Amino acid sequence: SYELTQPPSVSVSPGQTARITCSGDALPKQYAYWYQQKPGQAPVLVIYKDSERPSGIPERFSGSSSGTTVTLTISGVQAEDEADYYCQSADSSGTPAVFGGGTQLTVL
Amino acid sequence: EVQLVESGGGLVQPGRSLRLSCAASGFTFDDYAMHWVRQAPGKGLEWVSGISWNSGSIGYADSVKGRFTISRDNAKNSLYLQMNSLRAEDTALYYCAKESVAGGFDYWGQGTLVTVSS
Repeated sequence: SYELTQPPSVSVSPGQTARITCSGDALPKQYAYWYQQKPGQAPVLVIYKDSERPSGIPERFSGSSSGTTVTLTISGVQAEDEADYYCQSADSSGTPAVFGGGTQLTVL
Repeated sequence: EVQLVESGGGLVQPGRSLRLSCAASGFTFDDYAMHWVRQAPGKGLEWVSGISWNSGSIGYADSVKGRFTISRDNAKNSLYLQMNSLRAEDTALYYCAKESVAGGFDYWGQGTLVTVSS
């Protein structure tokens, strides 16, 4: 089955830039989406279609794509950004949604 | 304001059935595809099933295919998940999620917990 691979954890100091990657063979042909999930809360969409930001999401969140890897970048990380982040995409065989394993972002 | 409210979770024995519901409000329900996504305790997100606006297209994860059935009632602004032959590994928080026109899931409920245990 199709897999999206994320690093289990990323740590950054406040004000620094955090980059979270997601790799998958179908990513050159399928859009990626990113979700933020804080403890005890439902996920929140922070990036759609690789690099678009929904209204209400701070500008410090951005997304990019290169080949089989997509990247969520959080510039000027704040303490409130500490959360789990999941990428999501579709595979080439029709499964509409596959999630990466998630990345725990720690703000030191 | 978009609201998705799940219900129907609980403790159930292995092999038994459970039906989840999701009540939607704040948007034109029959314009959008809807999905169920689950999260086992301490684990990541797993897509379970999705249904198009008119129920014409339905999909399931391999892990639930043949056991779970998704449906919707547009007149009642409601989404359902019939879960049969439940297993311990189905234990999770089940989220109802609205699909965005741009893809992805732009609104989520707070989830309903399903625990499968004897």
